[in-house]
Amino acid sequence: SQQGEEDPQALSIQEGENATMNCSYKTSINNLQWYRQNSGRGLVHLILIRSNEREKHSGRLRVTLDTSKKSSSLLITASRAADTASYFCATETSGSRLTFGEGTQLTVNP
Amino acid sequence: GAVVSQHPSRVICKSGTSVKIECRSLDFQATTMFWYRQFPKQSLMLMATSNEGSKATYEQGVEKDKFLINHASLTLSTLTVTSAHPEDSSFYICSAPGRDSRGYTFGSGTRLTVV
Repeated sequence: SQQGEEDPQALSIQEGENATMNCSYKTSINNLQWYRQNSGRGLVHLILIRSNEREKHSGRLRVTLDTSKKSSSLLITASRAADTASYFCATETSGSRLTFGEGTQLTVNP
Repeated sequence: GAVVSQHPSRVICKSGTSVKIECRSLDFQATTMFWYRQFPKQSLMLMATSNEGSKATYEQGVEKDKFLINHASLTLSTLTVTSAHPEDSSFYICSAPGRDSRGYTFGSGTRLTVV
């Protein structure tokens, strides 16, 4: 079964708005990663946050991690139409296993 | 950066035939590769972990004899879907662990359609 649950399942916003996606997980983790997938393509790594970190930034991306609540959020600021994609969180546990959440389909309307 | 090349990107095969999918690490050595399966609008499900020079580790419920994995070198892992059936139609993706904060590197995926 999937470790992570994401919400919302789908999100539609206008260009320039911010998009927030949430991820929850169930077990202890080494780190949590966010990936982006364009339709029919492979996954692209966006950002990794370690279990001892609480917040991380990369360009227009901001990721938070709350290990007490076993949850993470991905914020994309000033969204663009090119940000339209599916976004997945993935938790890494011992043994380098990645377990993916269900994903959020983000649509950014021009 | 690390690149994983996956081939073919699309394949259509007849029921009962076998299909081989290759994943190559282009600029690094991958002692471990992971194979995932993804159904439309769903998440990735780990099928197996491929280990160079040893047997693959399969996830519960994945048939070893149906999904043959070979990791003969540090740069090549292959997944062979044997005696394919229409229900094997799916998107198959490989990945290799990254280093430090670089996450995992994924192949571009293979869309398999069994007719």
